[in-house]
Amino acid sequence: GAGVSQTPSNKVTEKGKYVELRCDPISGHTALYWYRQSLGQGPEFLIYFQGTGAADDSGLPNDRFFAVRPEGSVSTLKIQRTERGDSAVYLCASSLTLASGRGYNEQFFGPGTRLTVL
Amino acid sequence: AQSVTQLGSHVSVSEGALVLLRCNYSSSVPPYLFWYVQYPNQGLQLLLKYTSAATLVKGINGFEAEFKKSETSFHLTKPSAHMSDAAEYFCAVSVFGNEKLTFGTGTRLTIIP
Repeated sequence: GAGVSQTPSNKVTEKGKYVELRCDPISGHTALYWYRQSLGQGPEFLIYFQGTGAADDSGLPNDRFFAVRPEGSVSTLKIQRTERGDSAVYLCASSLTLASGRGYNEQFFGPGTRLTVL
Repeated sequence: AQSVTQLGSHVSVSEGALVLLRCNYSSSVPPYLFWYVQYPNQGLQLLLKYTSAATLVKGINGFEAEFKKSETSFHLTKPSAHMSDAAEYFCAVSVFGNEKLTFGTGTRLTIIP
């Protein structure tokens, strides 16, 4: 079956521009996560959706970053007034619905969108 | 807050030799621990996970890891390295199984023919 897909695979933009990054989760997965991976670093958590609502947005670095998931499926990460420091690979992951207690649901990752801000 | 530390950003082993990638964690509650592998230009793939069942966890591609609470460690091993194991490996922790993952900085594994 289809995995998590992300578009575009590469995005080059100029400093100050606005960008949107799209994530299509695995069908039926209600949880969706965004991470950012800078060069030479591990992925860093940005935001997590359960259905349409952001359950945890504590990783968003500032108010230039915003994410939506209006119908509980596709999600868009939006970055305003991009800065060179925003250059990174943006990863999306999805998983089945919340597991209770000590339950666990695997996060499946997409290939990422490489964002370059010139 | 939880965190993981991966000792050694680069590890090189000969083909057929033992692979040992180190991960130490910090968590105020019993953690979930994970190892992910990332091949060039590909997404992260789960190798194995610890979810408080058996302390010795077996994963894909012959990898295994042992949870040692006394040492706060979750090191990844493979008895015999293969050329196809060359990749970046990330250790990660979460407090709950469905929560955000906190990753280490990664270890790049190189296999010497």
